[in-house]
Amino acid sequence: SQQGEEDPQALSIQEGENATMNCSYKTSINNLQWYRQNSGRGLVHLILIRSNEREKHSGRLRVTLDTSKKSSSLLITASRAADTASYFCATLTGTASKLTFGTGTRLQVTL
Amino acid sequence: DGGITQSPKYLFRKEGQNVTLSCEQNLNHDAMYWYRQDPGQGLRLIYYSQIVNDFQKGDIAEGYSVSREKKESFPLTVTSAQKNPTAFYLCASFGAFSGNTIYFGEGSWLTVV
Repeated sequence: SQQGEEDPQALSIQEGENATMNCSYKTSINNLQWYRQNSGRGLVHLILIRSNEREKHSGRLRVTLDTSKKSSSLLITASRAADTASYFCATLTGTASKLTFGTGTRLQVTL
Repeated sequence: DGGITQSPKYLFRKEGQNVTLSCEQNLNHDAMYWYRQDPGQGLRLIYYSQIVNDFQKGDIAEGYSVSREKKESFPLTVTSAQKNPTAFYLCASFGAFSGNTIYFGEGSWLTVV
């Protein structure tokens, strides 16, 4: 079963607009991470937020975490065509370092 | 350069044959993972290993086997028992000194005909 579920499944915006993706998870976590995947490639780490953090920034990325609602959001500001990719949230649970991924959001940024 | 190498990138096999996918890392990471990704879908965990000579089943381990005889290597065998093996397979590794960041290989496309 998927620990994380992203919403929406697909998102299409124009260059310059902001893109927001949401992730919900089911069990307690140590941290939550966001990854990006270009079609047919491996995943690239974007940002990590720990369970005791509420918000984190990195460049044009802003991540929030609400552990009471078991949810996180990823905001990409001033989107570019090069941001077109799939975005996944991942949660690290327990002492066994088990990392599970959500279903992903496919972002399309058009010129 | 340090990283994770998966091979082969593309693999075609006949139904009923076992096939082994290679995953090698030179990052000195203790933990390694195998995921399966179907087109347009998320990643599902097949097996993971925290240390050498130890591994645990993930969410979809049936029809797959792994070994971890060396820290650097975590090969995945897709057996004939796997009902629908055609997919994209991703290997990843994680180390205590990598800031909880997972590093991924470029993936292997397996097509069973």
